[in-house]
Amino acid sequence: DVKVTQSSRYLVKRTGEKVFLECVQDMDHENMFWYRQDPGLGLRLIYFSYDVKMKEKGDIPEGYSVSREKKERFSLILESASTNQTSMYLCASSLIQGVRYSDNEQFFGPGTRLTVL
Amino acid sequence: GENVEQHPSTLSVQEGDSAVIKCTYSDSASNYFPWYKQELGKRPQLIIDIRSNVGEKKDQRIAVTLNKTAKHFSLHITETQPEDSAVYFCASSNTGGFKTIFGAGTRLFVKA
Repeated sequence: DVKVTQSSRYLVKRTGEKVFLECVQDMDHENMFWYRQDPGLGLRLIYFSYDVKMKEKGDIPEGYSVSREKKERFSLILESASTNQTSMYLCASSLIQGVRYSDNEQFFGPGTRLTVL
Repeated sequence: GENVEQHPSTLSVQEGDSAVIKCTYSDSASNYFPWYKQELGKRPQLIIDIRSNVGEKKDQRIAVTLNKTAKHFSLHITETQPEDSAVYFCASSNTGGFKTIFGAGTRLFVKA
């Protein structure tokens, strides 16, 4: 059973603070993703990583950075949190991009609801 | 850039009725179309997916249809039950790449 965990369910930070959101998966998945979820906007991709130390920008990378030092762990960093980064953050992982249906399924973590005051 | 449009944003049906959610994608290179269900307070989970070489796929009460020419795909839920109440997201991706683009979501209410 795939397990994707996130370091916090709820987080409250102040404007200007540096924020770390951590995600760990235990299924040896190659790909990991960070999304933010806002009402009416669906899931928007911030960054993804297809291998250790590899990262690619998604649709809304501004104000965020990521780190993937180990295969199982993918961190999202808000260098200087702002109020417009108040959101639900979802991490996901998938095996590889491949020809089998099962290769592409993304497994999501429980989410971190971040509030920036 | 590429996007996925999803309609309706909210759908209310009576238990036992059918529900249909429609999506349109813009990237003609897309070849994989998953649907995720997110129950209140829970994480999204894959419920069904389809590839571009298939026009329809069915799994018990849910089915997905794909019209690649028109760049439309739809989710059909028959004999809806209260436990079908959730937010449903369509998505498209290119299995040669890594980026999955999600629709904005449809909140489905099934009234008992």
